[in-house]
Amino acid sequence: GNSVTQMEGPVTLSEEAFLTINCTYTATGYPSLFWYVQYPGEGLQLLLKATKADDKGSNKGFEATYRKETTSFHLEKGSVQVSDSAVYFCALINTGTASKLTFGTGTRLQVTL
Amino acid sequence: DTAVSQTPKYLVTQMGNDKSIKCEQNLGHDTMYWYKQDSKKFLKIMFSYNNKELIINETVPNRFSPKSPDKAHLNLHINSLELGDSAVYFCASSPHRAGSYNEQFFGPGTRLTVL
Repeated sequence: GNSVTQMEGPVTLSEEAFLTINCTYTATGYPSLFWYVQYPGEGLQLLLKATKADDKGSNKGFEATYRKETTSFHLEKGSVQVSDSAVYFCALINTGTASKLTFGTGTRLQVTL
Repeated sequence: DTAVSQTPKYLVTQMGNDKSIKCEQNLGHDTMYWYKQDSKKFLKIMFSYNNKELIINETVPNRFSPKSPDKAHLNLHINSLELGDSAVYFCASSPHRAGSYNEQFFGPGTRLTVL
């Protein structure tokens, strides 16, 4: 079956630090990959996506590259801000699974001044 | 202006009670979903409806019954509530275009607490 593994949190960084949140997946075929963000007290928002190997998704300074050879989709940002503090979820949809999103366990990011 | 809305936002109830959570989307989407987020933030799909037809039904106790009166609404009814049902329940919707990924838009969540 499909599964997504994320690094355990919380991740605590100072403002302007470099961020990496690791994500690896297990799936047959060619899944589409996503990062969702959940700000405190809110629902999930799509942050970025990549639908095929070597695609790079990017949004709001965040980037992730779909690496089929390592089955990874690590999230990076060059300089985090306090406002980036949230829980980040890596997720995939596999073909033939009727749009069923499979999520990782989420990684809490806390950015301090 | 709210795209996907849920009511109530918070629900506190006693074990054994029956309760419902409502979801409405004004995006014109054909597909709607219910997800459960447990205390450790783990998110798992429960159900999905496409044009009022059930298309995803994960391993969920049959005390949970989704109902879709029209494609803009997907309600979740829970019978005989148990302590383990305490969680945040998220509704989502997406368009339905065959052969491609359809972005899912999430509601703000309903925090259910069973005492």
